[in-house]
Amino acid sequence: SQTIHQWPATLVQPVGSPLSLECTVEGTSNPNLYWYRQAAGRGLQLLFYSVGIGQISSEVPQNLSASRPQDRQFILSSKKLLLSDSGFYLCACARAGAFEQYFGPGTRLTVT
Amino acid sequence: DQQVKQNSPSLSVQEGRISILNCDYTNSMFDYFLWYKKYPAEGPTFLISISSIKDKNEDGRFTVFLNKSAKHLSLHIVPSQPGDSAVYFCAASGVGGGSNYKLTFGKGTLLTVNP
Repeated sequence: SQTIHQWPATLVQPVGSPLSLECTVEGTSNPNLYWYRQAAGRGLQLLFYSVGIGQISSEVPQNLSASRPQDRQFILSSKKLLLSDSGFYLCACARAGAFEQYFGPGTRLTVT
Repeated sequence: DQQVKQNSPSLSVQEGRISILNCDYTNSMFDYFLWYKKYPAEGPTFLISISSIKDKNEDGRFTVFLNKSAKHLSLHIVPSQPGDSAVYFCAASGVGGGSNYKLTFGKGTLLTVNP
């Protein structure tokens, strides 16, 4: 079974600073990878997904970007954080062709 | 435009009784449905899923029912335990329409099981 690692667990960043969140996956090859955000009191919003190295699809135009430099590595970035970027960021993976997604432990980002 | 709706933000039940969590969807292209459980400050945990070719799927204390004509699904937990207290998310997907196995989530229902 796959294991999803995310770091850091918590992060406090000032407005205008850059961001880099990393997700790595163990136990599966060529997975589909996903970044979600859960804002306070809200559901899960899909931000980006990737079906392979270098292949990124964006779901919501915004201040964030994603990259997949290796098969089991997914990175969420921003050049300049906004207050509205605060939230709980979750990485998920799924076997290619499967619907079931498995989530990492998440990163709590607070932009001050 | 909410394609997956969980109209009850919260539900409270007594330990040992049945918990019924409901979910409605609007997109007729959805043909696979999942339930996730989420504790605070943790990632969601996959619970159970159902394909549109079935109307029921059971796994231990958890059963999911699907009514395609009504575009409605429900999760039954029997018997409910205090450790089941969490937010439950309904999610839907489909192979068609270029979905690429993306999931659309509802906003969640907070279940509280009282001892």
